Amino acid sequence: GESVGLHLPTLSVQEGDNSIINCAYSNSASDYFIWYKQESGKGPQFIIDIRSNMDKRQGQRVTVLLNKTVKHLSLQIAATQPGDSAVYFCAEKAGGYNKLIFGAGTRLAVHP
Amino acid sequence: DAGVIQSPRHEVTEMGQEVTLRCKPISGHDYLFWYRQTMMRGLELLIYFNNNVPIDDSGMPEDRFSAKMPNASFSTLKIQPSEPRDSAVYFCASTRNQETQYFGPGTRLLVL
Repeated sequence: GESVGLHLPTLSVQEGDNSIINCAYSNSASDYFIWYKQESGKGPQFIIDIRSNMDKRQGQRVTVLLNKTVKHLSLQIAATQPGDSAVYFCAEKAGGYNKLIFGAGTRLAVHP
Repeated sequence: DAGVIQSPRHEVTEMGQEVTLRCKPISGHDYLFWYRQTMMRGLELLIYFNNNVPIDDSGMPEDRFSAKMPNASFSTLKIQPSEPRDSAVYFCASTRNQETQYFGPGTRLLVL
């Protein structure tokens, strides 16, 4: 069945370093991907998205990379800050369907 | 924009009682989603509506759960009777373009 999984459940980084959060997906028909950030006690917050006709998209301090060959998605955060500490979820959607399939999440811990 | 609004933010009830969760989507959004989040199962889609009509309720755990959307600005998720295993955080999300879903702050439900 369809599934989205994450390689690393917890990632610890030093403040100022770059962070890379990875995500694997299994549905080759998925054509839209989103990264969400969830802080403690809050709802998931949209960070960045990418369509399957792209392999890279940049935002403010964040970059999402998509490798359709190996069904892999990553979120890069530049100059990680304490405020980036949260759980990050990737989600995928297959064309024609309105459901987002969420991964298990990766906790990012930023240390001073 | 006020974002997705959910109430109550916290609910503590006893087993067997009826629980009603409320959601106001972002104005102009035509899709509304109800999710449940637990440590064990992660983020699960329960049901979603398009133009106030339920489209897919395959994620609703059992008949004790029901959801309605009487108009474009209001939806409810009801659990009757509630059970301790229903304890979770319930999120409402809405979207206009079928892709980027915006989440509310969630309702933290504890059934004793």
